[in-house]
Amino acid sequence: QVQLVESGGGVVQPGGSLRLSCAASGFMFSNYAMHWVRQAPGKGLEWVAVISYNINNQHFADSVKGRFTISRDNSKNFLYLQMNSLRVEDTAMYYCARSAYDWEHLDHWGQGTMVSVSS
Amino acid sequence: DIVMTQSPDSLAVSLGERATIHCKSSQTVLFSGNNKNYLAWYQQKPGQPPKLLFYWASIRESGVPDRFSGSGSGTDFTLTITSLQAEDVAVYYCHQFYGTPPTFGGGTKVEIK
Repeated sequence: QVQLVESGGGVVQPGGSLRLSCAASGFMFSNYAMHWVRQAPGKGLEWVAVISYNINNQHFADSVKGRFTISRDNSKNFLYLQMNSLRVEDTAMYYCARSAYDWEHLDHWGQGTMVSVSS
Repeated sequence: DIVMTQSPDSLAVSLGERATIHCKSSQTVLFSGNNKNYLAWYQQKPGQPPKLLFYWASIRESGVPDRFSGSGSGTDFTLTITSLQAEDVAVYYCHQFYGTPPTFGGGTKVEIK
């Protein structure tokens, strides 16, 4: 069955960096676009970034553009989110999710990894 | 950005009764090229990730009970639970993937009255 398992979250000071990972299994990873979506404590969902199945296309929310990068390793079935210059407002649960194409519904989600930015 | 507005923010419904959630987009999410509404619904239970319920506005994801239905087109969409069960207590989100960036509604919390 499809499994997405995030890791790499933790507590970091403002201005710091973190790299999140998402391990995918149970499907042909290289055939799917992959997204990061975040949810601040007690708040709604915010789309963060997407990377196309072949890595050629990447898009970011304005709130993270220039600070976050998204990448994937199709040979290892891993998705990554490199987060630099972290801000307090980046505090959230970060989910990875897949879609058949770049702009489609998200049919499977991981359990999430928590990122806390605090001094 | 396309703004998704859900209503109500929360609702309390008796077991076995109907729950109706509305989602309105600030511009159409209907793509005329394929006549598909780029709109999905998700259910999120406490402590869990969101779960896909519907895509293309009305296509039920495999395994979703048929007491759930999705409808609407263009800018106005509805998620209906015809006979609320205890396990349906959750927050429900609409999501448009027509425009960039994809955006979510603010969520509707469904509780038992």
